[in-house]
Amino acid sequence: GAGVSQSPSNKVTEKGKDVELRCDPISGHTALYWYRQSLGQGLEFLIYFQGNSAPDKSGLPSDRFSAERTGESVSTLTIQRTQQEDSAVYLCASSLRGRELFFGEGSRLTVL
Amino acid sequence: EDKVVQSPLSLVVHEGDTVTLNCSYEVTNFRSLLWYKQEKKAPTFLFMLTSSGIEKKSGRLSSILDKKELFSILNITATQTGDSAVYLCAVENQAGTALIFGKGTTLSVSS
Repeated sequence: GAGVSQSPSNKVTEKGKDVELRCDPISGHTALYWYRQSLGQGLEFLIYFQGNSAPDKSGLPSDRFSAERTGESVSTLTIQRTQQEDSAVYLCASSLRGRELFFGEGSRLTVL
Repeated sequence: EDKVVQSPLSLVVHEGDTVTLNCSYEVTNFRSLLWYKQEKKAPTFLFMLTSSGIEKKSGRLSSILDKKELFSILNITATQTGDSAVYLCAVENQAGTALIFGKGTTLSVSS
């Protein structure tokens, strides 16, 4: 597509529920990133996919967080048993290797 | 641990003023430094800097990198209300893995 597309744009869930956030990167971009941005904070790295290499999961805050990517296409970030501290904007970005990142509009997650 | 520190955290100026935003960093095997502007949700790319001392310009915005002192500045001249945003600095290491972002500088330009 023309840009990075994320869905849903807003998600309100109850504590303890699982959520899935979707990212559709720019066609042809081999790298895909997930970041989290809490109110007033910078972007916190979560996970990085590059082509068919093993993903860099070093930023995932707990084992409740996981992400998958099929080839060089769509990625899904899953948060299990959500907690209130998971509330944030989850931003996805894609790039060609060594080039600048292009961000999606983000998914705002609110855990009640 | 790789880190990026931006200053000031917030800044309020009047239209027409010139501002300088700062970004200092520590990263293993530096590859590049990037500046982004975030107005609502999606940060938009401004500059990528890889070499010291070479200024990059785009209209009223310019940026320069000092790899010896490990910092970069972003200058905005003749500020306009549309410049109000969060400006994010990020660094990339040679491994080309994820960018490490600073917390950003929130710029507010009043008319």
